[in-house]
Amino acid sequence: KQEVTQIPAALSVPEGENLVLNCSFTDSAIYNLQWFRQDPGKGLTSLLLIQSSQREQTSGRLNASLDKSSGRSTLYIAASQPGDSATYLCAVVKAAGNKLTFGGGTRVLVKP
Amino acid sequence: EAGVAQSPRYKIIEKRQSVAFWCNPISGHATLYWYQQILGQGPKLLIQFQNNGVVDDSQLPKDRFSAERLKGVDSTLKIQPAKLEDSAVYLCASSLFGGSEAFFGQGTRLTVV
Repeated sequence: KQEVTQIPAALSVPEGENLVLNCSFTDSAIYNLQWFRQDPGKGLTSLLLIQSSQREQTSGRLNASLDKSSGRSTLYIAASQPGDSATYLCAVVKAAGNKLTFGGGTRVLVKP
Repeated sequence: EAGVAQSPRYKIIEKRQSVAFWCNPISGHATLYWYQQILGQGPKLLIQFQNNGVVDDSQLPKDRFSAERLKGVDSTLKIQPAKLEDSAVYLCASSLFGGSEAFFGQGTRLTVV
């Protein structure tokens, strides 16, 4: 059974600092991994999707890496802004056709 | 492109009452998911549809929860009777096919009192 863990559960950083968010999974045989952002009281917004054959994916200030052999993905957010304050969730898909299995999320606060 | 639509946004009911949630996925998306998210936790899959067939409902409490996907498009999730522990956000998502990039709706926040 695939288990996904995100540590820490919460973190606070000053504005301008780079954010590093971790996601680990127990079964390295995955199809893809997706990072989401969730604002309070809202649904999930897709940020980046990394296919199992990829090592990283980039979008603007966001960069996500994937190391299947160690069961880890890292989301980097450069030069954080107060608007980056949200909960960040990662989800893993084991095989095509399967569900997304989520971690518990990391709640981020960027202080002005 | 229109996103995933859900209604209602909020619902408050008493325990033992029934409630239904509606979801309209992105046009052309064959896969539809219903997730339950309890406060402070990650979403947990309740049921996954591929067109109008069920792919995974292993974590759906079938004694009280039911779901259907009419004609492979819209979907309804029902709870009857509701329990206090059903208080959560119910999220609907869709994707082109199972496991491809998923897009989520705004969710329905259910409070059972």
